[in-house]
Amino acid sequence: QSVLTQPPSASGTSGQRVTISCSGGTSNIGNNPVNWYQQLPRTAPKLLIYDNNQRPSGVPDRFSGSKSGTSASLAISGLQSEDEADYYCAAWDERLNGVLFGGGTKLTVL
Amino acid sequence: QVQLQQWGAGLLKPSETLSLTCAVYGGSFRGYYWTWIRQSPGKGLEWIGEINHSGSANYNPSLKSRVTISVETSKKQFSLKLTSVTAADTAVYYCARAVVIDYFDNWGQGTLVTVSS
Repeated sequence: QSVLTQPPSASGTSGQRVTISCSGGTSNIGNNPVNWYQQLPRTAPKLLIYDNNQRPSGVPDRFSGSKSGTSASLAISGLQSEDEADYYCAAWDERLNGVLFGGGTKLTVL
Repeated sequence: QVQLQQWGAGLLKPSETLSLTCAVYGGSFRGYYWTWIRQSPGKGLEWIGEINHSGSANYNPSLKSRVTISVETSKKQFSLKLTSVTAADTAVYYCARAVVIDYFDNWGQGTLVTVSS
């Protein structure tokens, strides 16, 4: 049971911009940074965005993150077929005293 | 280049103990939290727990009574034990490196653990 709420699916056409939302509460997103992971089929998740809006080395600047209050968003611009994957948000949760993940959003590139 | 390589039994019977180990190659073992995360078939990710190089561990309350994470700093390895497994514990288990506790920048390849009689 995820306390971080994501839409189960999202889609867009090549070149389009899509956003994926992540909604939480004061014990997690409201007081802690949000991180995003990309999981390609049959592979381990990969860190995509950390500390709300920071990109690890090697992640294209087409990916960006933002946070406001108890919600966060991942934006992907210039959508490409290789972006088709599952995307998860995550944040430290003070009640869990651990990391909470969102339920994941399956992105389809039409 | 940090690499995490994990291994352990992939098929268990109900009530048995799940045991996985993760070795860290490259990079420092100190200064990070070493974490286990699982993903049930077709489902999302669940944080199991973490440990630092000195052995200070922290567990998901939903699993705390059955989980032990241990560390062998000299070997740069950490391990997961989950007792009394049931079919609900069937999942791909990942080891990962946590930076500043809360984000995971390096992951193991994953191990599918199936619990079936």
